[in-house]
Amino acid sequence: GAGVSQTPSNKVTEKGKYVELRCDPISGHTALYWYRQSLGQGPEFLIYFQGTGAADDSGLPNDRFFAVRPEGSVSTLKIQRTERGDSAVYLCASRPTAMNTEAFFGQGTRLTVV
Amino acid sequence: GDSVTQMEGPVTLSEEAFLTINCTYTATGYPSLFWYVQYPGEGLQLLLKATKADDKGSNKGFEATYRKETTSFHLEKGSVQVSDSAVYFCALSEFQFGNEKLTFGTGTRLTIIP
Repeated sequence: GAGVSQTPSNKVTEKGKYVELRCDPISGHTALYWYRQSLGQGPEFLIYFQGTGAADDSGLPNDRFFAVRPEGSVSTLKIQRTERGDSAVYLCASRPTAMNTEAFFGQGTRLTVV
Repeated sequence: GDSVTQMEGPVTLSEEAFLTINCTYTATGYPSLFWYVQYPGEGLQLLLKATKADDKGSNKGFEATYRKETTSFHLEKGSVQVSDSAVYFCALSEFQFGNEKLTFGTGTRLTIIP
């Protein structure tokens, strides 16, 4: 597609369940980022991939959060044992290279944990 | 660590009014500075950027100047339109650990009334 695609657009899950959020970056973009945007806040960095490897996961809040990008394209953010505090919009962004290029954002997945 | 503080909203203006949204930052090095915009129902889009002191970024009638002495990057527009109604985010990035991640402010919701 022409832009960054995230699915699903909305996800409601029960506390304690496992969820997966998917990001399809722009074709050819090697750098991929996940951000989390809580209500009334700006996006906060979670993890950065350069190719297949997680080059910087310093923003992941705890070990319930994990992300993969096995073929250097599509990425999946995985959240185990979800908590109500995980409710937020999860944003994905991609850029052609790691630096000095514009980051393009998807529309996000709104996760609600009830 | 790095941080961005921006003018709290919401901000409501009449069409053709002058707009200023204040943004100040704290960074350890020499960051690049950005304004992103989020229109209703759309993803984050880069509005403008500046990469070094005294640079002026401009786009769609909006301007912001990188002021190192005051650590500021205020967004201005001389005559706003209804179509400018959106949420505006100030952000910075520094290249650390092989990664140029973005640090965002909390966002300012702008509403322009006809």
